[in-house]
Amino acid sequence: GQQLNQSPQSMFIQEGEDVSMNCTSSSIFNTWLWYKQDPGEGPVLLIALYKAGELTSNGRLTAQFGITRKDSFLNISASIPSDVGIYFCAGQPYNNNDMRFGAGTRLTVKP
Amino acid sequence: DAGITQSPRYKITETGRQVTLMCHQTWSHSYMFWYRQDLGHGLRLIYYSAAADITDKGEVPDGYVVSRSKTENFPLTLESATRSQTSVYFCASSESRGFGEKLFFGSGTQLSVL
Repeated sequence: GQQLNQSPQSMFIQEGEDVSMNCTSSSIFNTWLWYKQDPGEGPVLLIALYKAGELTSNGRLTAQFGITRKDSFLNISASIPSDVGIYFCAGQPYNNNDMRFGAGTRLTVKP
Repeated sequence: DAGITQSPRYKITETGRQVTLMCHQTWSHSYMFWYRQDLGHGLRLIYYSAAADITDKGEVPDGYVVSRSKTENFPLTLESATRSQTSVYFCASSESRGFGEKLFFGSGTQLSVL
């Protein structure tokens, strides 16, 4: 129902490569957000999306709110070593104020 | 230092003991939250608070108690710790809840229950 399926679970890429990850749900969400967690720290908000079809960038990061309102993706272009961490999607279902989180995508960048 | 601070960073306790995790924020955000993070589950909401003396359950509240006597503090108490409560706990705050909610997280407390 309101669970978020995030994929892939982990990625191992070479520095300079582009990265894509996504999040899907079987129910409609009103907001989609993407957070990054560095080792030993709490998640930090990267991008917030509030409208179906919205495409938003933050530096080398680009995220989109899917047209169906059931999915979102995050792209990272030209990855660098400091991109290492766990990326979480999060969102609020249309009928509930509780923020739901995906299980995370663990990104490793090889120099 | 401004922001959200959690203490302790690490805690080891035994089954059946009471333990309290502390959270303090300096942003004057109305809303405060407690999440637990477990492998394969992402972050799950335990409790949240809309203001002083107003708290409500989240997705996984059983075994936890919260209070909010002051706006800036939101302690989480495990009244009788169990091994299943071994986890990393994050406190967060937000100016609003629902549409427009943006969570600001503390650095977490890693709790081990032996």
